[in-house]
Amino acid sequence: SQQGEEDPQALSIQEGENATMNCSYKTSINNLQWYRQNSGRGLVHLILIRSNEREKHSGRLRVTLDTSKKSSSLLITASRAADTASYFCATDEGGGGNKLTFGTGTQLKVEL
Amino acid sequence: DTAVSQTPKYLVTQMGNDKSIKCEQNLGHDTMYWYKQDSKKFLKIMFSYNNKELIINETVPNRFSPKSPDKAHLNLHINSLELGDSAVYFCASSQGAEQFFGPGTRLTVL
Repeated sequence: SQQGEEDPQALSIQEGENATMNCSYKTSINNLQWYRQNSGRGLVHLILIRSNEREKHSGRLRVTLDTSKKSSSLLITASRAADTASYFCATDEGGGGNKLTFGTGTQLKVEL
Repeated sequence: DTAVSQTPKYLVTQMGNDKSIKCEQNLGHDTMYWYKQDSKKFLKIMFSYNNKELIINETVPNRFSPKSPDKAHLNLHINSLELGDSAVYFCASSQGAEQFFGPGTRLTVL
């Protein structure tokens, strides 16, 4: 099974609403990152949270990390149609080489 | 001034053929990666190079051979292509924890 599993697999909301995506993982980590992938494009880094951090903010993004539950959540506030994309969590287990293990992704659709 | 570029963007080929995908980054990063994204969008690392040295080599068939002529380039050569190799292949680079991805190469094996 995969290191990172995301929930929900798909999420459809109205513009202006908040979107929350969850990620669970299995092993201990150095850091956890969130990436966005627009349809037909490469991934874009959004935010990184280290294992000793519990919460981080960047613009409309808020990430939490609970290492005891091995889970993270990404909250996008006041969503926009341009936020429509797939969102992936990725864990760095610290084994060297910056190896990232990606989750299964959440497909977010923001409707006007 | 694209940061991480890949060529070609699309590649359609017959089973059994050999093909290469090229990747270049102009960010001055030391580390480069190849990932494979399947039809369900699952993304898995294949290889990583740091300063032309192989660092990560996941369980990938030896039909796949990465080559790094210099630290700005990491090419992927695939021999004897199989149907299951059909996927989107992403190149990425990094200097720290954050990775920068190329636009992807969609490989279709017929």
